[in-house]
Amino acid sequence: NAGVTQTPKFQVLKTGQSMTLQCAQDMNHEYMSWYRQDPGMGLRLIHYSVGAGITDQGEVPNGYNVSRSTTEDFPLRLLSAAPSQTSVYFCASSYSKNTGFYEQYFGPGTRLTVT
Amino acid sequence: SQQGEEDPQALSIQEGENATMNCSYKTSINNLQWYRQNSGRGLVHLILIRSNEREKHSGRLRVTLDTSKKSSSLLITASRAADTASYFCATDDRGGNNRKLIWGLGTSLAVNP
Repeated sequence: NAGVTQTPKFQVLKTGQSMTLQCAQDMNHEYMSWYRQDPGMGLRLIHYSVGAGITDQGEVPNGYNVSRSTTEDFPLRLLSAAPSQTSVYFCASSYSKNTGFYEQYFGPGTRLTVT
Repeated sequence: SQQGEEDPQALSIQEGENATMNCSYKTSINNLQWYRQNSGRGLVHLILIRSNEREKHSGRLRVTLDTSKKSSSLLITASRAADTASYFCATDDRGGNNRKLIWGLGTSLAVNP
């Protein structure tokens, strides 16, 4: 199994540009999520999905869109990049149940710089 | 919002010593998890402890959970330079939205050879 893969590893955008961060998992996990990690801020949840066709907002969703058309893929789209979106982005996946969480599997991250 | 708060924020020890870091949280939980993050890498799951468990071991790791105090500790025994990393705790919120993990800000551990 490849686990959770993310592309690209690095990206530089100009303010106002849009782009999509790709995330894929091959473990048949129902739950997938996107986080951003900034120095001193820990992990902040952007969006998550509990299955194909179902997405919901996390704590910092503004400026980001997601879709989940398949179990495997969960792309994150930046609509109009801003310098405040400079961060490291992690995708994670896990099995899902009604009570509690299973262990999360993380991708290697995408380091995004917006100038 | 961040629920978990790790303590200390940073810890520096010598190889062979034990490292203890703590996590406090605010709500009722189903389980609590600990993760490690090496510099520039994704997080790696270390251990999960359920709310009805008090202690759990995995190799050199020992995790305790005190639900009455809403706190957990992670002990790494006989530390090695390779244990140098940031360590995070994560909880769910049994009484609220149970679909979001809530993360602490992490403890940065440096193990000096």
